[in-house]
Amino acid sequence: DQQVKQNSPSLSVQEGRISILNCDYTNSMFDYFLWYKKYPAEGPTFLISISSIKDKNEDGRFTVFLNKSAKHLSLHIVPSQPGDSAVYFCAGQAGGTSYGKLTFGQGTILTVHP
Amino acid sequence: DTGVSQDPRHKITKRGQNVTFRCDPISEHNRLYWYRQTLGQGPEFLTYFQNEAQLEKSRLLSDRFSAERPKGSFSTLEIQRTEQGDSAMYLCASSVDTYTGELFFGEGSRLTVL
Repeated sequence: DQQVKQNSPSLSVQEGRISILNCDYTNSMFDYFLWYKKYPAEGPTFLISISSIKDKNEDGRFTVFLNKSAKHLSLHIVPSQPGDSAVYFCAGQAGGTSYGKLTFGQGTILTVHP
Repeated sequence: DTGVSQDPRHKITKRGQNVTFRCDPISEHNRLYWYRQTLGQGPEFLTYFQNEAQLEKSRLLSDRFSAERPKGSFSTLEIQRTEQGDSAMYLCASSVDTYTGELFFGEGSRLTVL
């Protein structure tokens, strides 16, 4: 069962515009949601997270929105830059003592054109 | 460089052989995780350690897989009698005791089973 889904395999945007990456989940026990970014030949790197009790978290150009009723989260990047081109994974973390045990989506390849 | 390091970066082996991967976490991190990533998918959780104790193993981890973290520092992941389905990127990550799910990943060890 796919508890975290990223339905868009790829997204292409123009430099300076907004990038919106989407993620749906089914597990109501997730207490944190995270976004990771991955460049080729590198491991994933943490980007931003949001607690399940919040609906928005912002860090510079990156904002994550959480809609619990729809079991949906999104990552907004404004303005997008060519260096943002990477694979983006969303992930959910179940509560309790298993923190760090993440369930990842399949990833979305973001390409930002100059 | 004080990041998570993994060795070897790439291993090619024949079916039926045993392979071992090593992970050196960030020194002050007491939690260490192993994930596996196949093409087009996000990382999948395999197991994690708190210091030297292995606290959880995924059902994905068959009896042919074993992981250790003998002194609470580096960890090894051994796969016995490799199968072609074991071909994947094996990612190690570490973290401090945080409930936010922020992990620091290594660059991964790619296994190819012929």
